[in-house]
Amino acid sequence: AQSVAQPEDQVNVAEGNPLTVKCTYSVSGNPYLFWYVQYPNRGLQFLLKYITGDNLVKGSYGFEAEFNKSQTSFHLKKPSALVSDSALYFCAVSRGQAGTALIFGKGTTLSVSS
Amino acid sequence: GAVVSQHPSWVICKSGTSVKIECRSLDFQATTMFWYRQFPKQSLMLMATSNEGSKATYEQGVEKDKFLINHASLTLSTLTVTSAHPEDSSFYICSARSPDRLGEQYFGPGTRLTVT
Repeated sequence: AQSVAQPEDQVNVAEGNPLTVKCTYSVSGNPYLFWYVQYPNRGLQFLLKYITGDNLVKGSYGFEAEFNKSQTSFHLKKPSALVSDSALYFCAVSRGQAGTALIFGKGTTLSVSS
Repeated sequence: GAVVSQHPSWVICKSGTSVKIECRSLDFQATTMFWYRQFPKQSLMLMATSNEGSKATYEQGVEKDKFLINHASLTLSTLTVTSAHPEDSSFYICSARSPDRLGEQYFGPGTRLTVT
């Protein structure tokens, strides 16, 4: 069965510093991986996805993620954090083929201090 | 583009009543929509997959007679919580899969349901 793990409940960084939010996955077959961000009492906003191709995926708001097949990881990164990046971040994997339901990690709260 | 709306954004109802939540894809047609449930500070749990013109597929442990899903058109899916109980209080989020973009889902803003 597909699964996603986000080992950190919370990540704290100072504004201007690089940030990393970790995600590891377990899938059978090719992984279809996603990152979403959620602000309080809001739905999810799509950040980026990995379907195939380059291991480094660039997404919205300056975020990027690196797909590492050997480590089964898909960590979210940003070179310089903003206070406005503070939110809840979810890593997700398609349960089956691309476009099927998503299996979400438990989420990581990112807190960026000024 | 690719906007999904939900209505209402929040609702309070009494135990034993039913509540309908609408999910609409505003600028694209969605053959498949998904309904998720999110408890405070927790992840999203898939409840069911809604396919236009056919019966929804429910996840294990989700009562299909309690959470009625109808996907009558390519832009609208509804979730009806029947005979609501306080434990049904939650944040319900729908998403729609765009047929044009491989793998992407677009999420609605969510509906906060409180059952008193």
